Order: sequence, then C-alpha cells, then structure tokens
Amino acid sequence: ELKVEQNPLFLSMQEGKNYTIYCNYSTTSDRLYWYRQDPGKSLESLFVLLSNGAVKQEGRLMASLDTKARLSTLHITAAVHDLSATYFCAATNAGGTSYGKLTFGQGTILTVHP
Amino acid sequence: SAVISQKPSRDICQRGTSLTIQCQVDSQVTMMFWYRQQPGQSLTLIATANQGSEATYESGFVIDKFPISRPNLTFSTLTVSNMSPEDSSIYLCSVNRVGDEQYFGPGTRLTVT
Repeated sequence: ELKVEQNPLFLSMQEGKNYTIYCNYSTTSDRLYWYRQDPGKSLESLFVLLSNGAVKQEGRLMASLDTKARLSTLHITAAVHDLSATYFCAATNAGGTSYGKLTFGQGTILTVHP
Repeated sequence: SAVISQKPSRDICQRGTSLTIQCQVDSQVTMMFWYRQQPGQSLTLIATANQGSEATYESGFVIDKFPISRPNLTFSTLTVSNMSPEDSSIYLCSVNRVGDEQYFGPGTRLTVT
C-alpha cells in the first residue's frame, strides 16, 4: 500500500528565508505531484515530477524528485507572505491503471510572517 | 488545463438525507475521480468513475453510501446517502489529462447537521 508522508506539518517562516518541505513515499511511484491549497479553496497544481532527478521551478518554488530515495522536496526561496498556504504532495502507484489515483501526504501548513 | 465545475458549491443538510453533487468537465475525459477532504485533513480518493461501467471504489467506501453516475464523458455525479455529521467534508471531482496533470474542481463543501 502506497503511503506518503510530509514533513514538517507546520512551518512558520520569516520573509526572505529559505526552507524545504520533504515528501517521502513508501513504494515505487510513477509520478509525484505538488499542490497548493488556500483556505476554503480547491487545489492548485504546482508541479508534476515524472522521472528520477526531475527538477522544476516556478518563481520562488522548486521541486525535485529522487526516485531511488523515494523522496521529493519542495524548496522555498526568499519566502514572501503570498506563499502562505497548505502544500500537499501526492503520489500514484506505478503502472498505467493508477493514473488519477493519488495518495496524498498530510499537508504542510506554511505561514510566512514579516 | 481542464476547467471543472461542481454544483452545489456548498450545502447544509440534515442527517439522514442525501445530496447529489454534480461535476462537469470542459472536454471529454476517460476517467473522473471523486475525492473527499475531511475538515483539517488531507484528501482521500473515494472512487473512480468510468463512462459505461460501474464505478470502482477504494477501501472504506461503498456504493450504497456513495453511488456514482457517469452518463457521458464530461459529466459525473456523486451522491452522499443517508448522511451523518461524519460526512461533513469537501468533496472534489478530479480529472487526469494525458496521464500527467491531475486537475481538481472547486469542491463542494458539505455540512451535515
């Protein structure tokens, strides 16, 4: 059974600082997703990582995937208040029949303060 | 990207009643997925809906409680039956595009009193 664990679950950051959210998954996975959720809102897709060593960047966020370690990271550079949200990682089991069947981590509540 | 709409956006229901949630996608998709997000929690997959066949339910979810319809390639409904306060959650419809991107609808926020 695929399990996905994130840490930390709560992250309080100062503006301008850097930090990393970690996402570990328990079995072989085909794809790793990162989402952002604002309070009362749905999920916003940030990144999809498909292969070992994949790195994607968008603004102050950078995601990477190490399939051998079963680890993905979401790195935040020079945090700003607008990044305050809950961040989820999710993975799917390997194999074509698992498309769309995401197993989510617990979520990381990020708060950026002055 | 995919444009997904859901109705209703929110509802307050009495225990013992049922609510049907609609999901509409802007283009045809083979599979549609229903997820639940309980208050303060992460998301859990309820079932996968394929057009022309019965939905496939994940462990812990049953058809009698969450019947699903998929009449065509752009539409699906999820019914939450015989509701109890424990069913209070956000229910989200989701679709997968080209095997990679996974998009989520705006969600239906259900409160059961």
